[in-house]
Amino acid sequence: QSALTQPRSVSGSPGQSVTISCTGTSSDVGAYNYVSWYQQHPGKAPKLMVYDVTKRPSGVPDRFSGSKSGNTASLTISGLQAEDESDYYCCSYAGSYSLFGGGTKLTVL
Amino acid sequence: QVQLEETGPGLVKPSQTLSLTCTVSGGSISSGSYYWSWIRQPAGKGLEWIGRIYASGGTDYHPSLKSRVTISVDTSRNQFSLKLSSVTAADTAVYYCARGIVGPTHWFDPWGQGTLVTVSS
Repeated sequence: QSALTQPRSVSGSPGQSVTISCTGTSSDVGAYNYVSWYQQHPGKAPKLMVYDVTKRPSGVPDRFSGSKSGNTASLTISGLQAEDESDYYCCSYAGSYSLFGGGTKLTVL
Repeated sequence: QVQLEETGPGLVKPSQTLSLTCTVSGGSISSGSYYWSWIRQPAGKGLEWIGRIYASGGTDYHPSLKSRVTISVDTSRNQFSLKLSSVTAADTAVYYCARGIVGPTHWFDPWGQGTLVTVSS
């Protein structure tokens, strides 16, 4: 039941790509293709960016993409823009409950 | 579109029960297509899923909170509620309600704006 593991911070320059990892176990991330990613600006509610590992909700730029390999899921943001600077959280279905990651702060240099 | 709003006391004393309500507008909470969740976030920390309730009244809770949590639904008021008993300072957090979808998929959208609950005497 431990939180999923994310790097505390990542950074990149405008136009570059960054990848945020999310590591779980064979009981959550590895067991289901049900990983979602959320963007959270300070003082705001989280916003759904990617779901079911690779799918994007309507309105989310295709610069945001997701993938998974084994027990680790990843969110890649390409063509970084200043407004991408935010906290990002992964979430995985784990059977009868859901698990979030500890969050990653993305800094756009 | 569907909107969610959390309401409840912003201050709760240690050992007491935290009670929050989430009001759903723009859609029916009775729809069998969705479930309704509570998620919290201590200041400066990550998100923690608390639990969910289905329109049928069925519930799931985070294993670490299961003994203290009760989530209920009031379909007549289009609301669902959270009760967390025996609170301590560690339960101080922003509490969010959010919608999930039933089926071979998993996500939370939309979310309420969140409400800060402080546990202090």
